[in-house]
Amino acid sequence: AQTVTQSQPEMSVQEAETVTLSCTYDTSESDYYLFWYKQPPSRQMILVIRQEAYKQQNATENRFSVNFQKAAKSFSLKISDSQLGDAAMYFCAYRSPWETSGSRLTFGEGTQLTVNP
Amino acid sequence: DTGVSQNPRHKITKRGQNVTFRCDPISEHNRLYWYRQTLGQGPEFLTYFQNEAQLEKSRLLSDRFSAERPKGSFSTLEIQRTEQGDSAMYLCASSLVQGFNEQYFGPGTRLTVT
Repeated sequence: AQTVTQSQPEMSVQEAETVTLSCTYDTSESDYYLFWYKQPPSRQMILVIRQEAYKQQNATENRFSVNFQKAAKSFSLKISDSQLGDAAMYFCAYRSPWETSGSRLTFGEGTQLTVNP
Repeated sequence: DTGVSQNPRHKITKRGQNVTFRCDPISEHNRLYWYRQTLGQGPEFLTYFQNEAQLEKSRLLSDRFSAERPKGSFSTLEIQRTEQGDSAMYLCASSLVQGFNEQYFGPGTRLTVT
C-alpha cells in the first residue's frame, strides 16, 4: 500500500516571500500521479498542481511549482510571492494509474500554511 | 454553480441514531467518491461508484456504513447506530472516467456525534 508523509504540520511565510512544503511518499509502482490540494478554512478542497511520475519536468502553475525527485520519492511544493489568500491547509496526495485502485487518492496529514502580512 | 454539492453541511446527532448524507456530483461525472476526514488529518478513502455500481469499499467502511448511487447521479451515505468515533467531515468528490479524471470535491458534511 502506498503512504504519503508530510512532516511539517505547520509552516508560516511572510507575504511576498517564498515557502516550500515537503512531501514524501512510499510506493512500489513505477508510474503514478502526485497532487497538491489546498483546503482553505471552511471551504472545499481544490487542486493546486499535479505531476505525472513519468514526466521528468517539474510541473508549474503560475506561482506554484513542484520539485519532484522520483528516486528520493519526494514531492515538494514551492509557493512564490506568497499572498494572504494562500493561507490554507495543503495536502499532498498520491494516485495509482491502475484502474484496480479506482483512482482513489491517498493523502498526507497536511501542512497548515499561515501567511503573515 | 455546477460544482459538487453536499447536504446537510452540518449534522449533530446522538449516539445510536442513524444519519444520512447526500452528495450531488458534477452532472457529467460518472465517478463519485466518499472520503472521511478527521480533525487535523488528511482525507481517507471510503468508497467509490462508477455510474450506479459501487466498485470498491475501504476496510474503514464498517457494516454500519452503507452508500448508494441509485441512478448514477446523486449518492447517499448512511451511518447506522452512530458512535462518537464517527464524528468527522465526510467529503464527496466526483470525476470523469476518461482523461486525467481529476477529482472535484464538495464542501463536506461535518458530523458530530454526542
